Amino acid sequence: QKEVEQNSGPLSVPEGAIASLNCTYSDRGSQSFFWYRQYSGKSPELIMSIYSNGDKEDGRFTAQLNKASQYVSLLIRDSQPSDSATYLCAVIKAAGNKLTFGGGTRVLVKP
Amino acid sequence: SAVISQKPSRDICQRGTSLTIQCQVDSQVTMMFWYRQQPGQSLTLIATANQGSEATYESGFVIDKFPISRPNLTFSTLTVSNMSPEDSSIYLCSAGTSGEYEQYFGPGTRLTVT
Repeated sequence: QKEVEQNSGPLSVPEGAIASLNCTYSDRGSQSFFWYRQYSGKSPELIMSIYSNGDKEDGRFTAQLNKASQYVSLLIRDSQPSDSATYLCAVIKAAGNKLTFGGGTRVLVKP
Repeated sequence: SAVISQKPSRDICQRGTSLTIQCQVDSQVTMMFWYRQQPGQSLTLIATANQGSEATYESGFVIDKFPISRPNLTFSTLTVSNMSPEDSSIYLCSAGTSGEYEQYFGPGTRLTVT
């Protein structure tokens, strides 16, 4: 079992719809969770961080964390073609400050 | 968030040679890390660059192959030594401040070994 798992996609979403991305992690003691967006040929860009159970909203992005079920999700509302990218889930385990990345989910928003 | 620059942005090197990649942060940061991203794959942590002491390497990465320096709180280098085509990859540095846990990435160095 991989430490952080994501569906590789591609997740195809019509423009204006909601994109829903999921991520599961294996270390039950993990405390910090992040979503990065990576455009082709570019480096990862931090878009959301979440540390406690529940929802966290920032603009069109909502991160959801459920530690009991060991999953974290990202919702992108009103998806735009500019949201087409690979979204990377990253987790910091209980001890330390090192990021462990999932394989990423490729999102395609079609006009 | 910290602004991070890397040099060079890309390079093409011959096998058996070495390349040193520089990472500069615009403010003092506690944590600096080096990652590798192979084509079509996600990021793998190479090591944590510790200021004033030896880097902490992840499983599968060794100091002889990837020596790292971090002379101060804003600068680090990664050397890829005795390169082979399997080292062709994007190398990224990241930085963050302890207590916040968020990490920000530099633009990356695209390395091709022929």
